[in-house]
Amino acid sequence: AQTVTQSQPEMSVQEAETVTLSCTYDTSESDYYLFWYKQPPSRQMILVIRQEAYKQQNATENRFSVNFQKAAKSFSLKISDSQLGDAAMYFCAYRSAGYGNKLVFGAGTILRVKS
Amino acid sequence: DAGITQSPRHKVTETGTPVTLRCHQTENHRYMYWYRQDPGHGLRLIHYSYGVKDTDKGEVSDGYSVSRSKTEDFLLTLESATSSQTSVYFCAISDPSPVGNTIYFGEGSWLTVV
Repeated sequence: AQTVTQSQPEMSVQEAETVTLSCTYDTSESDYYLFWYKQPPSRQMILVIRQEAYKQQNATENRFSVNFQKAAKSFSLKISDSQLGDAAMYFCAYRSAGYGNKLVFGAGTILRVKS
Repeated sequence: DAGITQSPRHKVTETGTPVTLRCHQTENHRYMYWYRQDPGHGLRLIHYSYGVKDTDKGEVSDGYSVSRSKTEDFLLTLESATSSQTSVYFCAISDPSPVGNTIYFGEGSWLTVV
C-alpha cells in the first residue's frame, strides 16, 4: 500500500518570505498523481497544486510551485512571497493513476505566517 | 467550486445511537468518497463508491456502512456511535474530466459522540 509522509508537523515563515514544505511517499507504481491541499481554519479542503508523475516539468500555480523528484519519491511545495492568507494546514496526497482511485494523505503540516 | 453538500454540518449524539451523514452532489460524478479527519492522521478513507449500489471499504471502515441508491447521494451510517467516531467527516467526488482526475471535497461534517 502507498504511504505519504510529511515530516514537518509545523512550520513558520515571515510574511513575503519563501517557505518549503516537505513530502515523501512510498509506492511501487510508475504512474500516479500527487497533490497539495490547503486547509484553512474553516476546514475547507482547497486544491493548491497537482503533479502528474509522467511529467518531468514541475507544476507551478502563481506563488506555489513543487519540486518533484520521482526517483527520490519526494514532492515538496514551495510558497513564494508568503501572505497571511497562506496560514493553514497543508496536506500532501497521492493517488494512483486510473479514474476513481483514492487519495492517500500525509498527516499534514501547519504553516504559520508571521507579520 | 464543485457542487457538494454535506448534512448535517454539525451534530452531537449519544453513544450507542445510530447516525447518518448525507452527501449530495450536483456534478453527476461517478465516484464518491467518505473520509474522516483526526489530529495526526490527516484524512483517512472510510468507504467509497464507484457507481450506484457499488461500494467498497477503505482503510478505516469498521463501525461504518454506506449506501448509494442514486448517483447524487452517498450516505454514511454509524450503526451504533462510539466516542472514537468523534471526528470531522468529509465527502469527496472525482472529477471525470480527461485532464482532471482531481478529487473535490465537501465542507465537512463535525460529529461529536458523547
